[in-house]
Amino acid sequence: NAGVMQNPRHLVRRRGQEARLRCSPMKGHSHVYWYRQLPEEGLKFMVYLQKENIIDESGMPKERFSAEFPKEGPSILRIQQVVRGDSAAYFCASSRFEGTGGSGNTIYFGEGSWLTVV
Amino acid sequence: AQKITQTQPGMFVQEKEAVTLDCTYDTSDQSYGLFWYKQPSSGEMIFLIYQGSYDEQNATEGRYSLNFQKARKSANLVISASQLGDSAMYFCAMRPLRSGGSNYKLTFGKGTLLTVNP
Repeated sequence: NAGVMQNPRHLVRRRGQEARLRCSPMKGHSHVYWYRQLPEEGLKFMVYLQKENIIDESGMPKERFSAEFPKEGPSILRIQQVVRGDSAAYFCASSRFEGTGGSGNTIYFGEGSWLTVV
Repeated sequence: AQKITQTQPGMFVQEKEAVTLDCTYDTSDQSYGLFWYKQPSSGEMIFLIYQGSYDEQNATEGRYSLNFQKARKSANLVISASQLGDSAMYFCAMRPLRSGGSNYKLTFGKGTLLTVNP
């Protein structure tokens, strides 16, 4: 089984440009999460999506950031007008069910997308 | 709110020896799940082991075991017979396990950098 697939692995953008990060969940998983890892920090929750629905975006910055998970295709995390502070690793994760317990609902992560804003 | 504390920024261990990575947590939830992830220098987040708060026995996965002490709110990771490939950043994480709540949201510690010496 293919794991969580993210692309691009590395992305360089100039200040003011848009960054678009893609994530395809594991086969059979319909729950997608995005996390951000700033340098020397642990991961921080950004947003939780199911197909065509944003369930929880409480960790997303209010401006410039958006996420979607369309009926067809990968989930997209979009950052408009990037600034240097957006430089980070962005991880996508997926799970089979929403967290209702048990190791069977382990959340699996992709390899991350490293955004560098110059 | 949940909080994870990893007090060891860095740890060193000799190859073939065992090492314990500390993790303490704080939560008001009665039921929760505890996770350990490994992040090698290549950047991906690799799931290692899971422990439910209701599990009476400590979780084990190959060379990994989780020393769960509920009263102390600790969930230390024990790696036996360390290998050079174990050198990586290790993150402890938790999420609540309750219906109707944000039980999909993982809270991470800041991580411990483990170096295995030959």
